[in-house]
Amino acid sequence: AQKITQTQPGMFVQEKEAVTLDCTYDTSDQSYGLFWYKQPSSGEMIFLIYQGSYDEQNATEGRYSLNFQKARKSANLVISASQLGDSAMYFCAMREGDRGSTLGRLYFGRGTQLTVWP
Amino acid sequence: KAGVTQTPRYLIKTRGQQVTLSCSPISGHRSVSWYQQTPGQGLQFLFEYFSETQRNKGNFPGRFSGRQFSNSRSEMNVSTLELGDSALYLCASSFSPVLGNEQFFGPGTRLTVL
Repeated sequence: AQKITQTQPGMFVQEKEAVTLDCTYDTSDQSYGLFWYKQPSSGEMIFLIYQGSYDEQNATEGRYSLNFQKARKSANLVISASQLGDSAMYFCAMREGDRGSTLGRLYFGRGTQLTVWP
Repeated sequence: KAGVTQTPRYLIKTRGQQVTLSCSPISGHRSVSWYQQTPGQGLQFLFEYFSETQRNKGNFPGRFSGRQFSNSRSEMNVSTLELGDSALYLCASSFSPVLGNEQFFGPGTRLTVL
């Protein structure tokens, strides 16, 4: 089974509008972390936001917020006030934490290509 | 503070050859992970090193190997290259493999196998 599922291969949003990128995850670990990364066409992965499984509040970083619904195992990324420079591939990723030996490993979804139009 | 650096950035090889990719983590980071990114398979975990020890390995054949040096720099080696090894290879570093520690990625090495 896929550990991370991103069901939107592509999304389009107009500049200054908000957009939500979906992510669901699958794990039996009690302790885990969820990450969102942005990958522009240059290829480098840029960290956006992190949510721990025990964090009670949704994470926020500037224009990025993570809508964490633990019971539904979803961790959607919300980008407010989209900018042209937000056009990129966005990846949701998970790190499982119950077994220390696997802590470094990230499981990635297939990504969502976001296009922001003027 | 310098970011993660990877060399070379681009590489063209032919089938059967071997290749070595290098990754220098952010200063002070001791954990280095490697990922392969292809259009077909997406991002797949290769291996992770911490303090010169391989802690975790993904589901790749033995042709893929790696190591980490005492200064935390890491290399990965692919022997007997196949066409399917063409990919973007990403290296990521973090201070330590703790759950909430962010992994900082390098720009990647784009390998083309002809």
